[in-house]
Amino acid sequence: QSALTQPRSVSGSPGQSVTISCTGTSNDVGGYNYVSWYQQHPGKAPKLMIFDVSKRPSGVPDRFSGSKSGNTASLTISGLQAEDEADYYCCSYTGTYTYSVFGTGTKVTVL
Amino acid sequence: QVQLVQSGAEVKKPGASVKVSCKASGYTFSSYGISWVRQAPGQGLEWMGWISPYNGNTNYGQNFQGRVTMTTDTSTSTAHMELRSLRSDDTAVYYCARDPTRDYFDSWGQGTLVTVSS
Repeated sequence: QSALTQPRSVSGSPGQSVTISCTGTSNDVGGYNYVSWYQQHPGKAPKLMIFDVSKRPSGVPDRFSGSKSGNTASLTISGLQAEDEADYYCCSYTGTYTYSVFGTGTKVTVL
Repeated sequence: QVQLVQSGAEVKKPGASVKVSCKASGYTFSSYGISWVRQAPGQGLEWMGWISPYNGNTNYGQNFQGRVTMTTDTSTSTAHMELRSLRSDDTAVYYCARDPTRDYFDSWGQGTLVTVSS
C-alpha cells in the first residue's frame, strides 16, 4: 500500500487560507468516506483534526475544514494563525486487510 | 479524560526484539481498538496494525506481517506491541492510538523512541 500524496509544504500569511491536498486511489481515498487529518507539532504526538472526511472533533476550531472529490481529499485552514504552523498528515481507510494508510505529510508555514 | 501512557525509550541491537506497552485510562478499554503507528526520524507516519481489546482480533500492515505481534491485557487496560528481528531502519518513535471505528485515531500516547544500533 503506497502512501497518499501530499504537497511537501504550503505557506500563508496570518489571516489567509491554505489548502492541503491528499491524493490516493479508488482503493483508499476514492473508495471510502473515511479520511482523517492530523496536526503534529515538533516533538509532539499527532492530534486528530478532521475525521470521516469533514467532521471536526470537539475542541478543534471551525477554521479547520475537510472535503473530498474523487480520489483527492483536502484540508483547508481558514484565518491562518501562528499556532497552526505544524506538519499535517492525511490518513485513509483502505479496506478490510490493511485498514489505514497515511499521507506523506505537509509542512504548513505561517509567514 | 482519555489518556494513553507508553513505556520508556529502548535501545536494542540488530536482530533483537522490543516490546512497547501502552496503558489506557479514562474510558472503557475493551470498547475501543488500539492502533500502533511509527515515525522514523524526520519521516512521516506509518500505520503498523490494529488490535481489538474486546476479542483480541488483530490486523497487521503488510510491511510488518510476520515480525509484529500486538496483544492486550484487559485486567490492566494495557496494550503491547512486540517487534522482532529489529533492523537499523526500525529506529523510530512508536505511538499507540485509540481507534474507535478502525478509520481514525482520536487519542494518542506520548510516543516511545526505539533505537536500533550495534
